[in-house]
Amino acid sequence: EPEVTQTPSHQVTQMGQEVILRCVPISNHLYFYWYRQILGQKVEFLVSFYNNEISEKSEIFDDQFSVERPDGSNFTLKIRSTKLEDSAMYFCASSGGAGWIGELFFGEGSRLTVL
Amino acid sequence: GDSVTQMEGPVTLSEEAFLTINCTYTATGYPSLFWYVQYPGEGLQLLLKATKADDKGSNKGFEATYRKETTSFHLEKGSVQVSDSAVYFCALSDPTGGGNKLTFGTGTQLKVEL
Repeated sequence: EPEVTQTPSHQVTQMGQEVILRCVPISNHLYFYWYRQILGQKVEFLVSFYNNEISEKSEIFDDQFSVERPDGSNFTLKIRSTKLEDSAMYFCASSGGAGWIGELFFGEGSRLTVL
Repeated sequence: GDSVTQMEGPVTLSEEAFLTINCTYTATGYPSLFWYVQYPGEGLQLLLKATKADDKGSNKGFEATYRKETTSFHLEKGSVQVSDSAVYFCALSDPTGGGNKLTFGTGTQLKVEL
């Protein structure tokens, strides 16, 4: 069964360092997403990506964040200069074409710890 | 804006007990409603969904009915098993938001003991 894969599963970094989280969405999907969950809090939407551009982003997704689909298979989330409050589980997801009514397929998550 | 409120966890039950996890929502339009489940060490998986009022979603013995009058989508199962131990997330997708992003609740951890 096709699945979304994420790497790394856990990354520890120092505050101020750049981090890249990687995702391989399901191959025939068109929409890609990043969500995050700070420990004990809600799963929060960060950004959606369609047709090689950001289609929607939340207030959390400020200039420190960027996304890219560099090679037609990977979908990456970059945090330029990490802060302590960026420590969270980051989930990548993908979904089908236009008119899709909401089933997203999620990866297992990448846990980011900022020290 | 849109929001989802779930009951706090953890919920601890004995095997074969009845399960209810409450979920209520606030949305500007007519959302689709979902329950996602996260088993230990795995990603979020869709458990069931309902796209309009009075629809009942069901899967693996779990059910939830879309109640527009009470803005609720409570998850129920008649007889839980140890293998149901997981974190359950209620979520909505509001098409008036222009996309199909999901708004999640905080998640409810379920522990089922023998």
